[in-house]
Amino acid sequence: DVKVTQSSRYLVKRTGEKVFLECVQDMDHENMFWYRQDPGLGLRLIYFSYDVKMKEKGDIPEGYSVSREKKERFSLILESASTNQTSMYLCASSSIRADTQYFGPGTRLTVL
Amino acid sequence: SQQGEEDPQALSIQEGENATMNCSYKTSINNLQWYRQNSGRGLVHLILIRSNEREKHSGRLRVTLDTSKKSSSLLITASRAADTASYFCATDQYGNKLVFGAGTILRVKS
Repeated sequence: DVKVTQSSRYLVKRTGEKVFLECVQDMDHENMFWYRQDPGLGLRLIYFSYDVKMKEKGDIPEGYSVSREKKERFSLILESASTNQTSMYLCASSSIRADTQYFGPGTRLTVL
Repeated sequence: SQQGEEDPQALSIQEGENATMNCSYKTSINNLQWYRQNSGRGLVHLILIRSNEREKHSGRLRVTLDTSKKSSSLLITASRAADTASYFCATDQYGNKLVFGAGTILRVKS
């Protein structure tokens, strides 16, 4: 069965901290995505990756970076967390770029 | 701006009734997808309809696509309390990513 896992369901960090969100998929998918979800705004794409060590900016990359050293793992990094980065973060993967995406359970991040 | 715009924003119906949600978009697309999200969880893919298809069925779900009007609808027949969730449409603009709308919140009362 398809599985995308995220390292934490809930996370509380302080302003200025460096935050790592990890995502792992077991489907051998080439494509992986990071979204943030805020009420009334739907899902907004932060970064995506279509191959190991490859990354592309999404719609809202400012304040974020990513790392993909292995095919199954895609990390989202908040270099210096700010309160406006409090949100639900969702990771997804797909075998074909704009085809069906499989989502992880999400990480609800609170920055104090 | 978002590609997909769902309508209505929220919908409340009785168990057994049908629920219809609509999605409009602005540019040409390769496919349109519908996803469901239970409260506080990740999204689950429901159905994908390609630009050369007009209608698709999956169990109690029926999706239509009208590319001339740039719109799609999702019909859930004989709704159940377990259908209570948020529903999102997402469009592939012949690119390498999906663009999601803000979603419709469906509440099915038992």
